[in-house]
Amino acid sequence: DVKVTQSSRYLVKRTGEKVFLECVQDMDHENMFWYRQDPGLGLRLIYFSYDVKMKEKGDIPEGYSVSREKKERFSLILESASTNQTSMYLCASRRDRWDSSATNEKLFFGSGTQLSVL
Amino acid sequence: AQSVTQPDIHITVSEGASLELRCNYSYGATPYLFWYVQSPGQGLQLLLKYFSGDTLVQGIKGFEAEFKRSQSSFNLRKPSVHWSDAAEYFCATTSGTYKYIFGTGTRLKVLA
Repeated sequence: DVKVTQSSRYLVKRTGEKVFLECVQDMDHENMFWYRQDPGLGLRLIYFSYDVKMKEKGDIPEGYSVSREKKERFSLILESASTNQTSMYLCASRRDRWDSSATNEKLFFGSGTQLSVL
Repeated sequence: AQSVTQPDIHITVSEGASLELRCNYSYGATPYLFWYVQSPGQGLQLLLKYFSGDTLVQGIKGFEAEFKRSQSSFNLRKPSVHWSDAAEYFCATTSGTYKYIFGTGTRLKVLA
């Protein structure tokens, strides 16, 4: 099965630091995503990449940027971390092949990175 | 706009009891609907999905869900809950693009 690996399970950073969250998938998927998960708010899309060097803003991109230099790796960057960015961050990937039967359609998720900004 | 609503934030059931988690969707055309489960400390895992055809879909871990267009619902069910089912459950939808919309989640607690 597809494996999506997030480099850190827990991360503690200070306000104003530049933070890198790394995600690697091993199944040659074209699409990769960064979500933020907060209690009572579900999952909110931060950024999406549909292929190498291609990216699109999601619903809450402010304060974040992303990098996808290689197909398997998608990085989320917090340019200057703030306390309101304390959250669980989830990376996901999917194959970019949609059809109406879509028998294989699903997102594959990493285990998440719990980021605390102090 | 496309959306899904999970009206129950928390649900508690006894082990062996039946379970139903509610999901309502809002979308004009035929929606693509999913249920994902997140066990403690884990990412989300797909339980089942509905795209077309039979409105009762079977998933992993003994779960099933029924698509009811007249009620705009896609409720998740399990006849007998196990302690290992304690987790957070997310309903999701997509229109056939990369854009997935997730509900706010329902946290399930199972009493021994």
